[in-house]
Amino acid sequence: QKEVEQNSGPLSVPEGAIASLNCTYSDRGSQSFFWYRQYSGKSPELIMFIYSNGDKEDGRFTAQLNKASQYVSLLIRDSQPSDSATYLCAVYTGNQFYFGTGTSLTVIP
Amino acid sequence: DGGITQSPKYLFRKEGQNVTLSCEQNLNHDAMYWYRQDPGQGLRLIYYSQIVNDFQKGDIAEGYSVSREKKESFPLTVTSAQKNPTAFYLCASSFQAGQETQYFGPGTRLLVL
Repeated sequence: QKEVEQNSGPLSVPEGAIASLNCTYSDRGSQSFFWYRQYSGKSPELIMFIYSNGDKEDGRFTAQLNKASQYVSLLIRDSQPSDSATYLCAVYTGNQFYFGTGTSLTVIP
Repeated sequence: DGGITQSPKYLFRKEGQNVTLSCEQNLNHDAMYWYRQDPGQGLRLIYYSQIVNDFQKGDIAEGYSVSREKKESFPLTVTSAQKNPTAFYLCASSFQAGQETQYFGPGTRLLVL
C-alpha cells in the first residue's frame, strides 16, 4: 500500500482560475505535511507546510489538512502560466518523509 | 549564499564502475537525505543521516553507500551492485529529522554508458 497517493493528472486550468490538488496518506500517525513544486528537470522547491487541521494561507496558496479523512490539499488561486509544474505532496511519518508521485498542472493562458 | 550544492550536474557511469555524488550544505542542518527520482515516479529514500558518523538505510539502499564524516557533507556512492542506476539523484537537508522542512539541492543526473 502506497504511503502517499496523488492523482497524476494532468490537470489543466485556465489562467486566473483556481487549481485544486489533492493528496491522501495511509498512516494516521503522520505528523507533518508538505507541498513542493517541481519544474521539469529541476529539483523540488517548498511551497507550503502544514501541521494542524484546517487551512493555512500564504499568498495565492492555501493548504488544507483533514487528519480524520487523511487528506491534504493545495489550492492555487489566480493561477498563472508560471504555476505550470508538477506538485509533490510529502508526508512525515515515523522518521521518514514519503512523497507522492506528483500531479502535473498546466495553466492555459 | 546559504544552500545545498550537488556535483556534478551530470555523471556518466561505465558498467562495473563505482561513482560518487557530492552533496554539501552550509545551512547548519543536522539531517541530510539522499533520494532517487525516476521518470513519472515520486522520490524514493536511499539513505539518511541525522547526525555526524551515523546514517540509516532508506527504502532502496541496496547498491548504494554513504558516509557522514562532517556535518556539511553527505556523499553518495553508487556501486557496481546497483544494476539500474540511471535516475535523478536529489540530496536534501533539514534542521532535524522531523517537522522541520526539507530543502533540496539542484540534483545530479546519472546516466549509464
